[in-house]
Amino acid sequence: EVQLVQSGAEVKKPGESLTISCRGSGYSFSSYWIGWVRQMPGKGLEWMGIIYPGDSDTRYSASFQGQVTISADTSISTAYLHWTTLKASDTAMYYCTRHPSGTLHPYHIDLWGRGTTVTVSS
Amino acid sequence: DIVMTQSPDSLAVSLGERATINCKSSQSLLYSSSNYLAWYQQKPGQPPKLLIYWASTRESGVPDRFSGSGSGTDFTLTISSLQAEDVAVYYCQQYYTIPPITFGQGTRLEIK
Repeated sequence: EVQLVQSGAEVKKPGESLTISCRGSGYSFSSYWIGWVRQMPGKGLEWMGIIYPGDSDTRYSASFQGQVTISADTSISTAYLHWTTLKASDTAMYYCTRHPSGTLHPYHIDLWGRGTTVTVSS
Repeated sequence: DIVMTQSPDSLAVSLGERATINCKSSQSLLYSSSNYLAWYQQKPGQPPKLLIYWASTRESGVPDRFSGSGSGTDFTLTISSLQAEDVAVYYCQQYYTIPPITFGQGTRLEIK
């Protein structure tokens, strides 16, 4: 089955670091872009950034540049979203997404993970 | 950044009636005869689901009551005969310019 399997819910304190993961299965992980989307409670969808695991080409939204790091390990078909210093405002659901690839350009999202809930509270 | 604006913000339609959601982009999404526009459906407690891509191509498995139309800067998602299971929030998204991919603010669809 083609799917994106995300890591479990996290509860952290402000100032802590965190890495959440997204493992692709049932397809060629290196041949599709993997992106991350934030959804704050009761709000809409915000695109954070994207990586092409085949060559590690990574692009960020200006809103999230410097706030998070996106990476991928093709040997285990897994992408990561990392925070060095969490804030309470990082409390949200985070979805990983799969995008078919054009020439150096990701297309629409054709597959979503089920999401990882991150709660940051003192 | 390309700004995506959906209208209306919320919509109530009777079962069996037509529902229409509009999406306007701040610049053209048309390149080489393709419109870089997708539509997603998000039901409560679930991740979004792809409905339409390239503005009018229905994703496999999506009921044919869902259709997408439009070109350039103006796009429409139409549900021809609303079913109870269509209650959801609908988002348009552009992938013409990356970064960033941008979404519309969402349209909440309810039963009248």
